[in-house]
Parts: sequence; C-alpha cells; structure tokens
Amino acid sequence: GQNIDQPTEMTATEGAIVQINCTYQTSGFNGLFWYQQHAGEAPTFLSYNVLDGLEEKGRFSSFLSRSKGYSYLLLKELQMKDSASYLCAVRVKTGANNLFFGTGTRLTVIP
Amino acid sequence: DSGVTQTPKHLITATGQRVTLRCSPRSGDLSVYWYQQSLDQGLQFLIQYYNGEERAKGNILERFSAQQFPDLHSELNLSSLELGDSALYFCASSVGDEDTQYFGPGTRLTVL
Repeated sequence: GQNIDQPTEMTATEGAIVQINCTYQTSGFNGLFWYQQHAGEAPTFLSYNVLDGLEEKGRFSSFLSRSKGYSYLLLKELQMKDSASYLCAVRVKTGANNLFFGTGTRLTVIP
Repeated sequence: DSGVTQTPKHLITATGQRVTLRCSPRSGDLSVYWYQQSLDQGLQFLIQYYNGEERAKGNILERFSAQQFPDLHSELNLSSLELGDSALYFCASSVGDEDTQYFGPGTRLTVL
C-alpha cells in the first residue's frame, strides 16, 4: 500500500516563510503533487515534481528527493488567504496512474 | 474555476436511499476520477474512467458504481446509503492519467 505522512497542523505569521513536509513510502512512484484546499472547497493544483530538485512558482516552491521519499512545500511572504489545508499526493503507476493523498496539513496564518 | 462541474452542490437524503452524482470534465479531458472526502480524512480515490472505459478502481464499495458516457460526463451512483456515506464527493478530470488532475467543486452528501 501507500503511506504518506504530513504534519496535521501548522501555524505561521503573516509575511513569514513556512515549510510543509511530506514523507512517503510507495512502490511505482511516478510523481508528487501539492494541492491547496480551503475548507469545503475543491483542491486546487499548486505544484508537481517528478525529478529531484526544486520547482519554483511565484511565492510557492516544492522540493523532491526520491531517494529519501521526501518532499516539502515552501510558502513565502505568507498572506492571510494562505490559511488552508495543503495536500501532498503521490502518483503511483500500477497499470493506470493514480493519486494517493495524505490527510493534509492545516495551515493557519496569524497576523 | 477549474472548468470541472459537478451537480448537485448539496444533497440530503435518508438511509437506504439511492442517489446519483454528476460530473462534467474540462473540455478536452478524457479521464474522470471520483474521490470521497470524509470529515478529517484525506481524499480517498474511488474509481477512474478514461474515454468511457473503467481504468482503475480504488476503495469503492460494492454499493457504489459509476459510468462515463459518450459525451464524457460521468455519474457516480450510491445505493443503500448509510450514515457513514456522508461526505464530500469530488470529481476530477485530466487529459490522460499522466496529466495533472483538476477538481470540481464537489457534492456534499448528507445521509440522515
């Protein structure tokens, strides 16, 4: 099966930087995704890594180390609207490609 | 707005009943996925269709079934509903299963 771990909750201050970690154990790894989800709303795509290294997209960056089964999402210049859950999802290829999600990290940004 | 649409937005029903949830994928997307999200739980993959054919199955109960129609919209049928089926049900779509999935707004199902 797939095992994906993220911290349950984090709190950070407006304007600061926060790093949300994700570790995974899986077979057939074929990429890692980060999604943002505000309460009761749809997950929205943030970033994708399939090779080791850092992908930067504006205030958001995501890092992957396949050998360590580790990823992180870095959010810079935090804004109040960044308060949301951040979902780490691993794509696994077993025949078809499927996404397996962690339970998410609830981030609260405080003034 | 992801371009994926789902109806209805909310559904309230009783135990033992049957409901149908509908999803229209983004224009050009051939793959449709269904997920269940219960309170304080992660997104659980239920089933995937690609161009009308079932492609993969996840943790889908036998009481649940789905199909994808020639116009590529999909329906998820939930029958003999139980209290524990209360959840948010999301549909996602992608061009193919190597591509990023984009999620619809979800259907909130409440079983009383």
